[in-house]
Amino acid sequence: DQQVKQNSPSLSVQEGRISILNCDYTNSMFDYFLWYKKYPAEGPTFLISISSIKDKNEDGRFTVFLNKSAKHLSLHIVPSQPGDSAVYFCAASARSKLVFGAGTILRVKS
Amino acid sequence: GAGVSQSPSNKVTEKGKDVELRCDPISGHTALYWYRQSLGQGLEFLIYFQGNSAPDKSGLPSDRFSAERTGGSVSTLTIQRTQQEDSAVYLCASSLAGVGRETQYFGPGTRLLVL
Repeated sequence: DQQVKQNSPSLSVQEGRISILNCDYTNSMFDYFLWYKKYPAEGPTFLISISSIKDKNEDGRFTVFLNKSAKHLSLHIVPSQPGDSAVYFCAASARSKLVFGAGTILRVKS
Repeated sequence: GAGVSQSPSNKVTEKGKDVELRCDPISGHTALYWYRQSLGQGLEFLIYFQGNSAPDKSGLPSDRFSAERTGGSVSTLTIQRTQQEDSAVYLCASSLAGVGRETQYFGPGTRLLVL
């Protein structure tokens, strides 16, 4: 069963606009959530995280929002830049091992 | 080292052969994880080592898969009698203490192709 779902396989956004990537989860035991970014032929790179005791975490152009009641989190990138084009993975943790979504391909057009 | 390193970066093998994949974690990190990413899929957890504790092998897909971590540092993932469905990118990650709410840092992966 897919405990972490990213329902949009791809997203295309104009440079300068906001990118919103979504993630849903089913396991209420998850207490830590992360977003990773992956370029082709490279390993995933940590982007931003949020603990279940918070509903928002911001780091520069990146903000992650967590809605525990809806079991939903989202990553906002504003303003989007062409260099942000990559695959974005949502991940959730209950103890140590991470459960990943299938990823969303973001393409930022200049 | 500065980051997690993995070798080889690419491996092509014939069905039925054994392969060994190596991971060097970030110096000082006590926790090490193996994941794999099959084509079009997310990352799938395989195995987790934390310090001297017994590893969590709950994600290994079959008994053809095994891993060890010698001296609390370098880890080797071994796949015996490889099958075509084993073709994937195998990713290693490490973290400082292996406790919850901790960031895992990934290596570049080993791309395995079984013909």
